[in-house]
Amino acid sequence: KQEVTQIPAALSVPEGENLVLNCSFTDSAIYNLQWFRQDPGKGLTSLLLIQSSQREQTSGRLNASLDKSSGRSTLYIAASQPGDSATYLCAVSRWRDDKIIFGKGTRLHILP
Amino acid sequence: GAVVSQHPSWVICKSGTSVKIECRSLDFQATTMFWYRQFPKQSLMLMATSNEGSKATYEQGVEKDKFLINHASLTLSTLTVTSAHPEDSSFYICSAHTGESSYEQYFGPGTRLTVT
Repeated sequence: KQEVTQIPAALSVPEGENLVLNCSFTDSAIYNLQWFRQDPGKGLTSLLLIQSSQREQTSGRLNASLDKSSGRSTLYIAASQPGDSATYLCAVSRWRDDKIIFGKGTRLHILP
Repeated sequence: GAVVSQHPSWVICKSGTSVKIECRSLDFQATTMFWYRQFPKQSLMLMATSNEGSKATYEQGVEKDKFLINHASLTLSTLTVTSAHPEDSSFYICSAHTGESSYEQYFGPGTRLTVT
């Protein structure tokens, strides 16, 4: 059974710092991995999607890496801003149109 | 980009009543939609997979007679919470595949259900 773990559960950093969020999964046989952002009481915003054959994806200040063999992914946020404060969720799927298994998320708070 | 909508965005109902939540793919056809539930400060847990024209597949522990799912068309899936109880109060989110090669799922904005 696939399990997704995110560390840390919560993180507070001063504005401007670079930070890394970690995600691990127990079954390396994944189709893709996604990072989402969720603001309080809101739905999900997809940030980055990495196919199993890819090593990383970048979008603006965000960079996500994937090491499928070790079951790990990281989300790197450069030059953090207060607007980055949210919960970040990591999720994997086993095959193309399969369900997504989510981690519990990392609650990020950027201090102004 | 692909857009998924949900209606209503929030609903309050009395215990024992039923409430229907709609999930629509606005600019694409979705043969498969997923329904998730999220309790406060918890992650999303898949409830069921909804396939157009066939019965939904429910995850272990989810009562199919309580959470009725109907995927009547390629753009609409509905979740009906029957005989709602306060413990059903939660945030319900649906998602749908675009069908493109990456098979990325797009999520609706969620529906906040409060059962009094």
